[in-house]
Amino acid sequence: DQQVKQNSPSLSVQEGRISILNCDYTNSMFDYFLWYKKYPAEGPTFLISISSIKDKNEDGRFTVFLNKSAKHLSLHIVPSQPGDSAVYFCAASVEGGSNYKLTFGKGTLLTVNP
Amino acid sequence: GAVVSQHPSRVICKSGTSVKIECRSLDFQATTMFWYRQFPKQSLMLMATSNEGSKATYEQGVEKDKFLINHASLTLSTLTVTSAHPEDSSFYICSAVGGGNSPLHFGNGTRLTVT
Repeated sequence: DQQVKQNSPSLSVQEGRISILNCDYTNSMFDYFLWYKKYPAEGPTFLISISSIKDKNEDGRFTVFLNKSAKHLSLHIVPSQPGDSAVYFCAASVEGGSNYKLTFGKGTLLTVNP
Repeated sequence: GAVVSQHPSRVICKSGTSVKIECRSLDFQATTMFWYRQFPKQSLMLMATSNEGSKATYEQGVEKDKFLINHASLTLSTLTVTSAHPEDSSFYICSAVGGGNSPLHFGNGTRLTVT
């Protein structure tokens, strides 16, 4: 069963606009969430994370929101840039992420059009 | 630059042969390395966790005798797919982490095709 779900396989956004990538999870034991970005032929690179004790974490153009009651998190990118075009993976872990055992979603392909 | 090097990036082998994939941490000592597998349109699935000098811990449903993991040093872990079959064709990717609160770094992955 898919414990981390990214229901949108793809998203297309105009440059300068906001990109919103969504992620849902089913395991209530998850308490640490991460977003990874992956370009073709490269491994995922860490983008931003959030602990379950927070509901928002911001880093430059990237903001992650967590709604624990809905078991939902989202990644906002604003303004979106063509270089942001990549596959974005949502991941979650238990025990504060200290064990680094991540459960990944299937990913969302973001295309930012110039 | 890359801090985790994975080799080879692509490999094609015949059914019944074994394939070894290497994962190296380049500028840090990796106390723990993880091996993932990703089938088309699926998520990265954790196969096993390996700690240097000890036996790997395999996730449920992963055959330890088929996917041999050796983490002999703090900078190298290898995954050997033994007696590969076409259904083992997949994208295999490793990740590595050092001690403390150091971040998790991924390799670039290996595309395995078994004919």
